[in-house]
Amino acid sequence: EIVLTQSPGTLSLSPGERATLSCRASQSVSSSYLAWYQQKPGQAPRLLIYGASSRATGIPDRFSGSGSGTDFTLTISRLEPEDFAVYYCQQYGSSPGFTFGPGTKVDIK
Amino acid sequence: EVQLVESGGGLVQPGRSLRLSCAASGFTFDDYAMHWVRQAPGKGLEWVSGISWNSGSIGYADSVKGRFTISRDNAKNSLYLQMNSLRAEDTALYYCAKEGGYCSSTSCFPIDYWGQGTLVTVSS
Repeated sequence: EIVLTQSPGTLSLSPGERATLSCRASQSVSSSYLAWYQQKPGQAPRLLIYGASSRATGIPDRFSGSGSGTDFTLTISRLEPEDFAVYYCQQYGSSPGFTFGPGTKVDIK
Repeated sequence: EVQLVESGGGLVQPGRSLRLSCAASGFTFDDYAMHWVRQAPGKGLEWVSGISWNSGSIGYADSVKGRFTISRDNAKNSLYLQMNSLRAEDTALYYCAKEGGYCSSTSCFPIDYWGQGTLVTVSS
């Protein structure tokens, strides 16, 4: 079973700054089956990135994903006020289930 | 518009049972694998169980295996989770979730739609 580790646990930044979030897998993620989700308080998660680097429908281009193998990154180029939230990476493609990382909280500095 | 509406949560004593339901609309339900994902208060996301479009492929997290049973009724556009022998550590918000593509088994694609969740509290 693949274990996902996210760092940092919390990222304190100001609006307009660049955010770089890391997700590391305990073994190689096949075919880059790695997704990123955003979750705001009281809301369900929202899919941002799939296939490590493809943006989901309606996601602004300030969100980008990269990486392969065991190391993946979510970058938010310029933080908007609505981007302060918790971000989870997720591995898929290994039936029957999913694995989620523990999350990175991006909060306002 | 895709909608997933969970129901059936509530306060239950340890060792008792509860059945969650998810009513789906806005898409062809029997084309997609479906999942239950939970989130304990203040904690992260945990995949609980998944079922393929035709119920031919089913999986469970180790933490619930042998206690929970997932099922679906494609004629009713509904997903279910039967939870037996509940424990305090099962306390969480339970989300119904739809996989984002066609797949013969489960977890081929990420989740593209989530319900708002139903809260299960296990306490005496």
